[in-house]
Amino acid sequence: GQQLNQSPQSMFIQEGEDVSMNCTSSSIFNTWLWYKQDPGEGPVLLIALYKAGELTSNGRLTAQFGITRKDSFLNISASIPSDVGIYFCAGLLPGGKLIFGQGTELSVKP
Amino acid sequence: GAVVSQHPSWVICKSGTSVKIECRSLDFQATTMFWYRQFPKQSLMLMATSNEGSKATYEQGVEKDKFLINHASLTLSTLTVTSAHPEDSSFYICSAQRPGLPSYNEQFFGPGTRLTVL
Repeated sequence: GQQLNQSPQSMFIQEGEDVSMNCTSSSIFNTWLWYKQDPGEGPVLLIALYKAGELTSNGRLTAQFGITRKDSFLNISASIPSDVGIYFCAGLLPGGKLIFGQGTELSVKP
Repeated sequence: GAVVSQHPSWVICKSGTSVKIECRSLDFQATTMFWYRQFPKQSLMLMATSNEGSKATYEQGVEKDKFLINHASLTLSTLTVTSAHPEDSSFYICSAQRPGLPSYNEQFFGPGTRLTVL
């Protein structure tokens, strides 16, 4: 079946540093999404990507949809303590179903 | 953004009992809701698609007789875990799809329900 491979699994960084994480897929997706999940909560949408090659920003977050439609990256600039959480990439399937990557757990040291 | 609630937020039950989890879209109507399951330190796995007024569609490997889904109204879907066992202990998350947005129908996630089966 379809799988999204997300890396790295975890990151420990210093406040103020930039962060980058990425996802790859064996299948093509027409829509790619990035979510953040805080402990004990549901995921919250950060950025949605609709076109191959698209580069989209949301504040300190920037995400790009790969040209091949099989990969995407998320960058966080100048990290702050509240960026702590688990970040998931997700690909949109027909019927509105989402398939999620394994997640990247981010820890930020003040 | 839109608000989706879940009730209860956590539940502890004895093995063999059934547990019902509610998912409500508070400020929009959702013809489609989804139920996910998440084990600790793992990703969200789609269990089923809940369609208002019709039967739910289950993902491969998910027992429909064990995880009963009812989408009786445009704002409420329920997941009932029947004859729960310790291996059913997990974090259950629903999402509601809001129609009408550009490009795709965005899903809004509930806060999740932590189920612990003793």
